[in-house]
Amino acid sequence: QVQLIESGGGVVQPGGSLRLSCAGSGFIFSAYNVHWVRQAPGKGLEWVAVISFDGSNKYYADSAKGRFTISRDNSKNTVYLQMNSLRGDDTAVYFCARDRHLDSWGQGTLVTVSS
Amino acid sequence: DIVMTQSPLSLPVTPGEPASISCRSSQSLLHSNGYNYLDWYLQKPGQSPQLLIYLGSIRASGVPDRFSGSGSGTDFTLKISRVETEDVGIYYCMQALQALYSFGQGTKLEIK
Repeated sequence: QVQLIESGGGVVQPGGSLRLSCAGSGFIFSAYNVHWVRQAPGKGLEWVAVISFDGSNKYYADSAKGRFTISRDNSKNTVYLQMNSLRGDDTAVYFCARDRHLDSWGQGTLVTVSS
Repeated sequence: DIVMTQSPLSLPVTPGEPASISCRSSQSLLHSNGYNYLDWYLQKPGQSPQLLIYLGSIRASGVPDRFSGSGSGTDFTLKISRVETEDVGIYYCMQALQALYSFGQGTKLEIK
């Protein structure tokens, strides 16, 4: 069955960096776009970034532009989100989801930015 | 950027009764291919979001037929014909027309 598993979350100080991973299985990973979506505690969903199936196209929300970098390694069936210059308002559960219509989601990984 | 606005934000419903959620976009979501790039998601308590409806009106695999989506352009509606207790959660609309996606604020459905 289709599965997406996020990892790499944790506690980081303001200004710090973190790299999240999203590992896919049960489908042809290299054929699908992958998105990152986040949810701050008690808040709604916020789309963060997307990478095309072959990595040639990447788009970012304004809140992520210049600080976050999305990438993928199809040989490892994994998409990454490198997050730099982290701020308190980046504290959230980060989900990855596949395809244009986000038809499958991972369970999320919690990122806490705090001193 | 496209702004998505949902209403109501809170929706108390008696089991067996219908429910309706509205979603409006700041720009038309109608693609030249004739499809509206508007999706609906449900996030049940403690769970990840799940896709309910895509392209405005197409139910995702396994979604009960009591859920239906309608609308075109900038005005969309999600309807539940008869609410069940398992439908509790937060419903989000999302536009998938532009590369930079955006979600509505969410509508919390609760059982009376």
